[in-house]
Amino acid sequence: GAVVSQHPSWVICKSGTSVKIECRSLDFQATTMFWYRQFPKQSLMLMATSNEGSKATYEQGVEKDKFLINHASLTLSTLTVTSAHPEDSSFYICSARAADNQPQHFGDGTRLSIL
Amino acid sequence: GNSVTQMEGPVTLSEEAFLTINCTYTATGYPSLFWYVQYPGEGLQLLLKATKADDKGSNKGFEATYRKETTSFHLEKGSVQVSDSAVYFCALSGRSSYKLIFGSGTRLLVRP
Repeated sequence: GAVVSQHPSWVICKSGTSVKIECRSLDFQATTMFWYRQFPKQSLMLMATSNEGSKATYEQGVEKDKFLINHASLTLSTLTVTSAHPEDSSFYICSARAADNQPQHFGDGTRLSIL
Repeated sequence: GNSVTQMEGPVTLSEEAFLTINCTYTATGYPSLFWYVQYPGEGLQLLLKATKADDKGSNKGFEATYRKETTSFHLEKGSVQVSDSAVYFCALSGRSSYKLIFGSGTRLLVRP
């Protein structure tokens, strides 16, 4: 089956640093990747949609300068949380799909803790 | 706009009990419907899906039927196991945007 790898799975860092999270589709080419944020015991909230080679589309209320998304190849998208603060602590999950009518396949998530 | 409503959890059952997790949706047109499962500390896994009315999705003993007349997609399993303990998300995807819209999730706890 389709596999999406997310790295790192857990990161702890100091306030003010920037953190990069990688999302890779291992056995298929992902024309579109999605980034979600999940608060404890809550549902997933879509942050942004990224298509390979173009700028990401951010959902309302998501700061694009805070959450930088790059989708430089058909198998890799990165989310960089810039100048992270404790309120950015959360579980971030990516997903990828091969085409519009194909299901999204999810990574295992990254738990980000900002001290 | 499109939305998904799930029953609140947690749902606590004994092993081999019958499971129902209710899910209803609001959408324009004819969305595709999904159930995802999330085990502790992990991302989401697609459990089953249905793309048109009266379709039944099934996987690992779980079933859900796309009911257009009641705008529902309830998840059922005849006999749950301890290993089914997880959070279950109902979701829909519109025909035009294909974005996934998730329900709030229902935590299932199965006791031995």
